[in-house]
Amino acid sequence: SQQGEEDPQALSIQEGENATMNCSYKTSINNLQWYRQNSGRGLVHLILIRSNEREKHSGRLRVTLDTSKKSSSLLITASRAADTASYFCATDGIPSGAGSYQLTFGKGTKLSVIP
Amino acid sequence: GAGVSQSPSNKVTEKGKDVELRCDPISGHTALYWYRQSLGQGLEFLIYFQGNSAPDKSGLPSDRFSAERTGGSVSTLTIQRTQQEDSAVYLCASSFGTLPDTQYFGPGTRLTVL
Repeated sequence: SQQGEEDPQALSIQEGENATMNCSYKTSINNLQWYRQNSGRGLVHLILIRSNEREKHSGRLRVTLDTSKKSSSLLITASRAADTASYFCATDGIPSGAGSYQLTFGKGTKLSVIP
Repeated sequence: GAGVSQSPSNKVTEKGKDVELRCDPISGHTALYWYRQSLGQGLEFLIYFQGNSAPDKSGLPSDRFSAERTGGSVSTLTIQRTQQEDSAVYLCASSFGTLPDTQYFGPGTRLTVL
């Protein structure tokens, strides 16, 4: 079963607005990562946050992690049309049946930024 | 440097035929993963190779699916007697194999079974 679940499933915003996507997970983790996917092809790593961190920034990206609530959020500020993509959170840890080095991906949030 | 490459980029086959999908990981990466992504869905883990260890095949959906990794580098995913439900994008990723395990993905192979 999926470890992470993103919400919303789809998000449509105007260019220049901020976009916030959330991810919830079930078991303890070591790290949580966010990936981006364009047009159903390869995923690109965006940012990693460790379990002992609460917030991390990278350019227009801001990620928060609340391990007590088993949740993370990805904020994209001043969105651009080029940010249109699907965004996935991925956790590592030891979900049932998987090895400790594996990443478990959520189903993703499809973001559309309207010019 | 070169990223993860996959071939072919697209494959159309007839039901019942066998297909082979290839993945060239980033040089020096010891871990290699195969995932499957059906239309509009998340990534489904298939198989994981780490160095010379026995692969983790726990995600393979049936015995029609197999994968090998030769010389710790190139990997081939084989699907025998393909079925229409095998249609998906097959993604390969590689990593250094240590935590935190940031994975680098190839562009995928889009498989269509008619």
